[in-house]
Amino acid sequence: GAVVSQHPSWVICKSGTSVKIECRSLDFQATTMFWYRQFPKKSLMLMATSNEGSKATYEQGVEKDKFLINHASLTLSTLTVTSAHPEDSSFYICSATYGLAQSDTQYFGPGTRLTVL
Amino acid sequence: GDSVTQMEGPVTLSEEAFLTINCTYTATGYPSLFWYVQYPGEGLQLLLKATKADDKGSNKGFEATYRKETTSFHLEKGSVQVSDSAVYFCALSTGGYQKVTFGIGTKLQVIP
Repeated sequence: GAVVSQHPSWVICKSGTSVKIECRSLDFQATTMFWYRQFPKKSLMLMATSNEGSKATYEQGVEKDKFLINHASLTLSTLTVTSAHPEDSSFYICSATYGLAQSDTQYFGPGTRLTVL
Repeated sequence: GDSVTQMEGPVTLSEEAFLTINCTYTATGYPSLFWYVQYPGEGLQLLLKATKADDKGSNKGFEATYRKETTSFHLEKGSVQVSDSAVYFCALSTGGYQKVTFGIGTKLQVIP
């Protein structure tokens, strides 16, 4: 149980275009979803936290107009990279949880590899 | 701010060898501590966790003890297998929307 999927698994786009990444909790309703970015040989960097029906909370240094997050339902969150540029190329990972305690487990998607040409 | 420090690796071991991956942390308050594992081509999955001092988390032969006095959460396994080859992430959470801080990840390669 507790499976999280992401779509697409990889995407290549031209500079200036926008790309949408979906994150779905397949067998549970997620109270909170998280978006991370992972650079090569670096740790996961939390970009934003989103709750269904409310605005996402972005981490310091993350441009909210650049990385649009929509959490439309308890099982779906989307991340849109607007006007993508080569420096946005990265591995984007989402996670979801159905608990509210700090010890509750986050369930991770397999990630989406974005390459901007 | 919160931070997690772990060896980057890669760590290469022969099958049945003893594994230790060190992890130390700095955090305000009393964090929960986690080890996540990422197998090739898959997403991160929880390996084990501990929520208070002296707790021992264990799973699949791996274990780690929450040491508050040394702010450490080292991962150990007595006898590794080829199937344990993966990247291991140490992480902590300090409440408030469960914000999780990850270490850099340690790649483990087990050779037959």
